[in-house]
Amino acid sequence: NAGVTQTPKFQVLKTGQSMTLQCAQDMNHEYMSWYRQDPGMGLRLIHYSVGAGITDQGEVPNGYNVSRSTTEDFPLRLLSAAPSQTSVYFCASSPSTLNSLGEQYFGPGTRLTVT
Amino acid sequence: DAKTTQPTSMDCAEGRAANLPCNHSTISGNEYVYWYRQIHSQGPQYIIHGLKNNETNEMASLIITEDRKSSTLILPHATLRDTAVYYCIVRVASGTYKYIFGTGTRLKVLA
Repeated sequence: NAGVTQTPKFQVLKTGQSMTLQCAQDMNHEYMSWYRQDPGMGLRLIHYSVGAGITDQGEVPNGYNVSRSTTEDFPLRLLSAAPSQTSVYFCASSPSTLNSLGEQYFGPGTRLTVT
Repeated sequence: DAKTTQPTSMDCAEGRAANLPCNHSTISGNEYVYWYRQIHSQGPQYIIHGLKNNETNEMASLIITEDRKSSTLILPHATLRDTAVYYCIVRVASGTYKYIFGTGTRLKVLA
């Protein structure tokens, strides 16, 4: 198993550009999530999904869109990049049920800089 | 909404037990407490989780108070490789899938 993979590892964008961060998992997990981590800070939940076709907002969803067309993939789209979105983005997946999150498996992260 | 409170930082001597506390006084219903750690800027790593009873695995032990308002993660024999930020996590509210990480405790293991 490759686990959770994220691409790209690094990205530099100009203000106003759009892009998609890719996330894929091969563990057949229903639950997937996106977090951002600003320098020296903890992780904040952006969006999450409990299965194909089902997504919901986390703590900081503004400026981001997600979709979940398959169990394996959960891309995160930045609509119009802003310097405030400079951060490290982590994707995670879990065999979650409504009663328990279980163990979340995290990807290696994408380091995004917006100039 | 439920949330957690942890000390910002702690030091521990190598070979000694590291005890990391977490307050989750607003935890609701039959909600689990989860612990993760993050080494450098890597993705967080799952450690352990528990509901009411104490739990132990190959990495750590988790002690949850009887009233479930707080818990302690115990690394029995800390090594330099255990230097990391440790996060205690609970669900925001029953019936949701939102889990909040908080700011964590930065543990430094000293040689």
